[in-house]
Amino acid sequence: EVQLVESGGGLVQPGRSLKLSCAASGFTFSNYGMHWIRQAPTKGLEWVASISPSGGSTYYRDSVKGRFTISRDNAKSTLYLQMDSLRSEDTATYYCATDRLNPYVMDAWGQGASVTVSS
Amino acid sequence: DIVMTQGALPNPVPSGESASITCRSSKSLVYKDGKTYLNWFLQRPGQSPQLLTYWTSTRASGVSERFSGSGSGTYFTLKISRVRAEDAGVYYCQQVREYPFTFGSGTKLEIK
Repeated sequence: EVQLVESGGGLVQPGRSLKLSCAASGFTFSNYGMHWIRQAPTKGLEWVASISPSGGSTYYRDSVKGRFTISRDNAKSTLYLQMDSLRSEDTATYYCATDRLNPYVMDAWGQGASVTVSS
Repeated sequence: DIVMTQGALPNPVPSGESASITCRSSKSLVYKDGKTYLNWFLQRPGQSPQLLTYWTSTRASGVSERFSGSGSGTYFTLKISRVRAEDAGVYYCQQVREYPFTFGSGTKLEIK
């Protein structure tokens, strides 16, 4: 059974950093692209970042470029999102997702990690 | 960025009736490989999103045949036949034709 479990969320002050993790199991992690998607309270879904199976290619939405870094450790089957210079507008539930079916088809999602940026 | 615009539903929808959700993109979602990169998701209250269809009309594993996606180019529809209480939630279309990937604002389905 495919499982994606996010961790590392919490309350953080503006300008500080936080690192999310997504532990994967039930599939060959190193074969598939991975993604972070977020959802602000009572709002819709917003794609944040993606990474290729090898980790050699990464993509970001403009609003997080230069502040967030997506990475992966294929030996540990774990995806990361390093979030620096956090802003109040980064407050959201962050989901990790994978595309095992086909590239860019996010067929499995985690339960989400809540990040609140507030002083 | 590609803008995704979703239509609304005449909520609540009576159980057993059909419901269709529209989604328009500001640019064609057909890629050079001939595929149309449009996905549909359902997010039930308090849950993570669930993939329903991809490449416009291919149903994901385990998804009921009552869900059918259609469309081409810039106009897409998700039809839900014989709606049931478990279909309630917010439906999102998503384009993965190019980065940044973008979602529609969501369409809420309420069941009567």
